[in-house]
Amino acid sequence: GDSVTQMEGPVTLSEEAFLTINCTYTATGYPSLFWYVQYPGEGLQLLLKATKADDKGSNKGFEATYRKETTSFHLEKGSVQVSDSAVYFCALLFYNQGGKLIFGQGTELSVKP
Amino acid sequence: DTGVSQDPRHKITKRGQNVTFRCDPISEHNRLYWYRQTLGQGPEFLTYFQNEAQLEKSRLLSDRFSAERPKGSFSTLEIQRTEQGDSAMYLCASSLGVTGETQYFGPGTRLLVL
Repeated sequence: GDSVTQMEGPVTLSEEAFLTINCTYTATGYPSLFWYVQYPGEGLQLLLKATKADDKGSNKGFEATYRKETTSFHLEKGSVQVSDSAVYFCALLFYNQGGKLIFGQGTELSVKP
Repeated sequence: DTGVSQDPRHKITKRGQNVTFRCDPISEHNRLYWYRQTLGQGPEFLTYFQNEAQLEKSRLLSDRFSAERPKGSFSTLEIQRTEQGDSAMYLCASSLGVTGETQYFGPGTRLLVL
């Protein structure tokens, strides 16, 4: 079945470091891809999305590019801040199959000052 | 637009009791989703509604679970005869149901079954 695999956490970085969180997926067809973020004590929020191959989603300095050839959607940020500390979830969705999201297990990011 | 709300935010119950959770979606969103999230894992899909019609149920949704959306607005998720394995965060999300539309999540209801 369709699935999403993320790199295991926790990931601990110093402020202003470069961030990469790996995400790969297995799916029959071409899903839309998402990154959601969950800050401590808050609900899931959409961070960015891409709906077709080679699309780049971006928001708040974060970027991810939909790579069909490697079935990947890695999340990157050039300079992280303490306020980026959260759990990040990669997810896929087929709109023609009811639109349910299939999530990875999440990657916890901790940024130290 | 006040976002998706869920009630209660926390629930502690004893094994064997029934519990009911409520979700109020963003107004005019015709799709409503329920997910379950256990500690250290990503959310897992349970079921979804298009207006008042329940269109899909996951195999995770045993016959002890029932969900309704009677007027196509708020939804309830009931768990009968709770078990310790039901302890989790129950998340609700809503969307317009249009291709490309984002799902917006509520804060969740954390259930602890003793």
